Amino acid sequence: GIQVEQSPPDLILQEGANSTLRCNFSDSVNNLQWFHQNPWGQLINLFYIPSGTKQNGRLSATTVATERYSLLYISSSQTTDSGVYFCAVERSSGANNLFFGTGTRLTVIP
Amino acid sequence: DADVTQTPRNRITKTGKRIMLECSQTKGHDRMYWYRQDPGLGLRLIYYSFDVKDINKGEISDGYSVSRQAQAKFSLSLESAIPNQTALYFCATSDLSREQYFGPGTRLTVL
Repeated sequence: GIQVEQSPPDLILQEGANSTLRCNFSDSVNNLQWFHQNPWGQLINLFYIPSGTKQNGRLSATTVATERYSLLYISSSQTTDSGVYFCAVERSSGANNLFFGTGTRLTVIP
Repeated sequence: DADVTQTPRNRITKTGKRIMLECSQTKGHDRMYWYRQDPGLGLRLIYYSFDVKDINKGEISDGYSVSRQAQAKFSLSLESAIPNQTALYFCATSDLSREQYFGPGTRLTVL
């Protein structure tokens, strides 16, 4: 398979702070997605971003496919941002399935 | 209404029992997937299907089987459940754009 490494594994923020989450992957990809898993276990699509930069409100993401990494930026964090953030990739040369990293657990404290 | 639904949402069963988890979608996608998530880990692929006549094993298919009854329905079966199959199970769908959309998950406990 493909190796997907996320950092940091855990992050605690004061409400209002900004953060950057990183995802490194070991092979060429044609799909990269960021998800937020909320405390109830639901997976929420944040970005589909195999390359380039996208923004959605306080969140933005950048993928540099040639250097095999992606970054998720969270600005002005809120307590509702707490949960686990997963990066998942689909290898260019493989079947259409996602390989997940082990996630970054974010806790935003008031 | 949710685009991808899973039933049941929670299930407790005993070792050796047969269990079926069901997934339905209204997104009109051809591709469907089953993943499992163990505590503290990311998701891993069990099976996937690109259309009703196409079924493929994923990373961890042993002990599981699937059935694609229609474009909108994809079920996962545990023929004889064992405790290490206790996990959170997710169904997902995608179209040719490859972006995957996940259901709410089924929490399965095997005693």
